[in-house]
This record gives sequence, C-alpha cells and structure tokens, in this order.
Amino acid sequence: KQEVTQIPAALSVPEGENLVLNCSFTDSAIYNLQWFRQDPGKGLTSLLLIQSSQREQTSGRLNASLDKSSGRSTLYIAASQPGDSATYLCAVDSGSRLTFGEGTQLTVNP
Amino acid sequence: NAGVTQTPKFQVLKTGQSMTLQCAQDMNHNSMYWYRQDPGMGLRLIYYSASEGTTDKGEVPNGYNVSRLNKREFSLRLESAAPSQTSVYFCASSEFSRGPYEQYFGPGTRLTVT
Repeated sequence: KQEVTQIPAALSVPEGENLVLNCSFTDSAIYNLQWFRQDPGKGLTSLLLIQSSQREQTSGRLNASLDKSSGRSTLYIAASQPGDSATYLCAVDSGSRLTFGEGTQLTVNP
Repeated sequence: NAGVTQTPKFQVLKTGQSMTLQCAQDMNHNSMYWYRQDPGMGLRLIYYSASEGTTDKGEVPNGYNVSRLNKREFSLRLESAAPSQTSVYFCASSEFSRGPYEQYFGPGTRLTVT
C-alpha cells in the first residue's frame, strides 16, 4: 500500500527566504506526482504535476523535483511571500487514484 | 467556467439521517472523484468514476454510495449518517483517470453529524 509522508508538518519563515518542502513515498511504481496548495477552509489548487519520466517541473517561483528511485519529491519556493502561506500537499498517482500526504503548513512572516 | 462546484457548502445532520452531496464539473472531464479530509488522516479516496457509467470503490467506501448521473455530475449519498462521517468532503475531476492529468478540486462540503 502506498504511503506518503511530508516533512516538516509545519514551517515558519521570514519573507524573502527560499525554502524546500519534502515529500516521500514508499512505492516507486508511480505514474505522476502532484503538488497542491490548500488555503484554510478552501479546496485544493493544483500547483505542479510531474510525470514519472520527468525530473522536475517549474512554474514561476515554484520548482518541483522527483527522484522516483529513492521515493522522494521536493517543492522549492523561491523568494517566499506572505501570500504563500498555506498548506502544501503532495499526492502520488499509483494508477487511477491519488494517495495524499498530510501536508506541510507554511507560514511566511512579513 | 466554474470548474468543479459542490453543494451544499455546509450541512448538519442527525445520526441516521440521509443526504446526498452534489458535484458538477464543466471542464468536459471523463473522471470524477470523491474524497474526505480528516485531521491527522489527510485526504482519502471514497469512490471514483473513471468514465461515465462506471464507478469504483476507493480506500474508504463503507457507508457511502455514488451515482455518476451523466458526464458532468457525480453525487455521493450517505444513507444513514454516523458521527464518524463528520468530515470535509471534496469532489474532484480530471480529463482521464490514468496518465499525466491533473485533478481539479471543488471547494468542499463541511458535514457535521451529531
């Protein structure tokens, strides 16, 4: 059974800092990995999707990497802003379904 | 283009009552999903529909039924609500269930069962 772990559970940083969120998964037989953002009381917003054949994807200040063989993905956020404060969720697609981590709650302080 | 919409946004039920959560998407997606989100448990898949006319169980299907009414709509029914079903329910859709297709989520339904 696929299990997804995200470390740290919470992170507080000053504005402008570059930061890395970590995601690990137990079964490397995945199709895709998707990073989401969730604001309090809201739904999930897709940030990036990395296919199993890819090493990384970039969107603006966000860069996600994937090392399938070691079961790890990272989400790099450059020059963090208070508006980046949210919970970030990693989800692994092992075939017709996503398995989610519990998320990293990020607070960016002005 | 509204994306994925869910109704209602909030609901309070008494134990044993029934209700149906509605979900609709306007992106012409083939696949739709129902998840629940609980503190300490993350999001878990309840049921999904890979294409119109098909439904399959996810990780936590007990106590729920689903109907893929047409390509746009996928409903989740609680026949006899229990306090353990207190949760936030999310509907999602994707172009297909297999392959590099992002899932898009609705805003959620917050359900409390007393």
